[in-house]
Amino acid sequence: GIQVEQSPPDLILQEGANSTLRCNFSDSVNNLQWFHQNPWGQLINLFYIPSGTKQNGRLSATTVATERYSLLYISSSQTTDSGVYFCAGRPNSGYALNFGKGTSLLVTP
Amino acid sequence: EAGVVQSPRYKIIEKKQPVAFWCNPISGHNTLYWYLQNLGQGPELLIRYENEEAVDDSQLPKDRFSAERLKGVDSTLKIQPAELGDSAVYLCASSLGTSNEQFFGPGTRLTVL
Repeated sequence: GIQVEQSPPDLILQEGANSTLRCNFSDSVNNLQWFHQNPWGQLINLFYIPSGTKQNGRLSATTVATERYSLLYISSSQTTDSGVYFCAGRPNSGYALNFGKGTSLLVTP
Repeated sequence: EAGVVQSPRYKIIEKKQPVAFWCNPISGHNTLYWYLQNLGQGPELLIRYENEEAVDDSQLPKDRFSAERLKGVDSTLKIQPAELGDSAVYLCASSLGTSNEQFFGPGTRLTVL
């Protein structure tokens, strides 16, 4: 499989702040996805973004496939944004999503 | 549209006991995955099904784990006998083909005492 490195590993924000989460891949990937795992363990799909930029409300993501990285932007953070954010990619030679270890985000009031 | 359904949500058993997890994928999704998530880690693939065929089970510990997807829809993952190290969250995911977005169920949190 491929190595997926996420940074930062932990992040504490005050409500209203902005943040950028990064994901680096050791090799080319397809099917790059960002997830939010809520406190109950549910993985919620945020973006399916093999390349380019997408926006959904206060969240946006950019993937630069040629440089093997992706960024997740959170603007005007809210306490409900707390949880663990995972990125995952499917290597060209496989079918399973390879996940990073996640970024644990805590947004305080 | 209903998402991926899993049951039970939680299971506590003693070591050496058997346990089974059930998954119902999103309607029409022919590809089904079972992932294992240990505490503080991202999920890792155990097995992948294309319809009823297991096409990638290289990471499944076959001495104690088994899985089936008899009619190409629902799937069951079984552990027999369970060991302390099997305590984890077992996640089921599905997609429309292997090249498309994967959607995850809520998971089954297994605790082996």
